[in-house]
Amino acid sequence: EAGVAQSPRYKIIEKRQSVAFWCNPISGHATLYWYQQILGQGPKLLIQFQNNGVVDDSQLPKDRFSAERLKGVDSTLKIQPAKLEDSAVYLCASSLAGIYGYTFGSGTRLTVV
Amino acid sequence: ELKVEQNPLFLSMQEGKNYTIYCNYSTTSDRLYWYRQDPGKSLESLFVLLSNGAVKQEGRLMASLDTKARLSTLHITAAVHDLSATYFCAVDQNRDDKIIFGKGTRLHILP
Repeated sequence: EAGVAQSPRYKIIEKRQSVAFWCNPISGHATLYWYQQILGQGPKLLIQFQNNGVVDDSQLPKDRFSAERLKGVDSTLKIQPAKLEDSAVYLCASSLAGIYGYTFGSGTRLTVV
Repeated sequence: ELKVEQNPLFLSMQEGKNYTIYCNYSTTSDRLYWYRQDPGKSLESLFVLLSNGAVKQEGRLMASLDTKARLSTLHITAAVHDLSATYFCAVDQNRDDKIIFGKGTRLHILP
């Protein structure tokens, strides 16, 4: 079974620029998550999708972050404009159902300078 | 609001020793997950615990869940250097397939 695919692996941008990350979940996994992991901390949930609908985006800074999952499969997370404090690893995860666990992608390491 | 606390946050230990990592959570839940993360890598699923009293073992690692105490433990038996990593617990509070992570325990095993 192919895992959760993410791209790019690394990205360096200047503050106030925009950036987008892409995620392709495991085939058949209806639920998709974006997490932000700041160095030395645990992952923080940003947004949860069920198929192409948003279940929870309460922790997403909506003034600068947006996410979509238009066809219920792959997803993009965008930051515009980026701030220095957005430097983190952005992890995508997918799940068939919580009782089976969650599979994480390799992440995108974002550095804002 | 669910809070997940791990302790210790950092642990340095000798090979061959036993130790336990603790995960406490603030609200009722019977779904708890343990993950391992190596430096610069993603999260690897270790255990899924879905009921009170659940115990799972894989190699030198054993995890258990006490929902009444709101406590999970990850026990390491006869540690080896390859187990050096950061270990996270995560809790699903409402069975809504949304997991909240602790801060992680960074484990360093000295050869």
